[in-house]
Amino acid sequence: KQEVTQIPAALSVPEGENLVLNCSFTDSAIYNLQWFRQDPGKGLTSLLLIQSSQREQTSGRLNASLDKSSGRSTLYIAASQPGDSATYLCAVRERETSGSRLTFGEGTQLTVNP
Amino acid sequence: NAGVTQTPKFRILKIGQSMTLQCAQDMNHNYMYWYRQDPGMGLKLIYYSVGAGITDKGEVPNGYNVSRSTTEDFPLRLELAAPSQTSVYFCASILDRRNTEAFFGQGTRLTVV
Repeated sequence: KQEVTQIPAALSVPEGENLVLNCSFTDSAIYNLQWFRQDPGKGLTSLLLIQSSQREQTSGRLNASLDKSSGRSTLYIAASQPGDSATYLCAVRERETSGSRLTFGEGTQLTVNP
Repeated sequence: NAGVTQTPKFRILKIGQSMTLQCAQDMNHNYMYWYRQDPGMGLKLIYYSVGAGITDKGEVPNGYNVSRSTTEDFPLRLELAAPSQTSVYFCASILDRRNTEAFFGQGTRLTVV
């Protein structure tokens, strides 16, 4: 059974700092990995999608990497801002399961202090 | 382009009542999913559908039912609501199983009292 773990569970940093969020998964048979942002009481906003054949994806100040063989992904946020404060979730799309389900980690709650 | 639309946004139910959470997508996506998110936790899969007329159970299906009569709609039915079903429910869709990103609705916050 696929398990997705995110470390740390919570992170508090001063504005301007570069930071790394970690995601690990137990089964490397995946189609892709997706990073989401969730603001309190809101839905999920897709940030980056990395296909299993790719090593990284970039969007603005965000860079996500994928090492499928070791079951790890990182989300790098450059020059953090208070508006980046949210919960960040990673999810893997499983290759071997019916329905190609997404399995989620429990998230990293990020607070960026002015 | 509406994407994935969920209704209602909020609902309070009494124990034993029933209700249907609505989900509609206008992207002609084949795959649709229902997840629940409990406070401080990730999302757990309740039911999914790979196309009209085809549904299957996820991790936590007990107490729920689904149907998929059209490509666009995927309602989730709660029968005999229980306090353990207090959660935020998210509907999601994808075009195909391999290379496309998942799109999520804004969620339905359900409280059972």
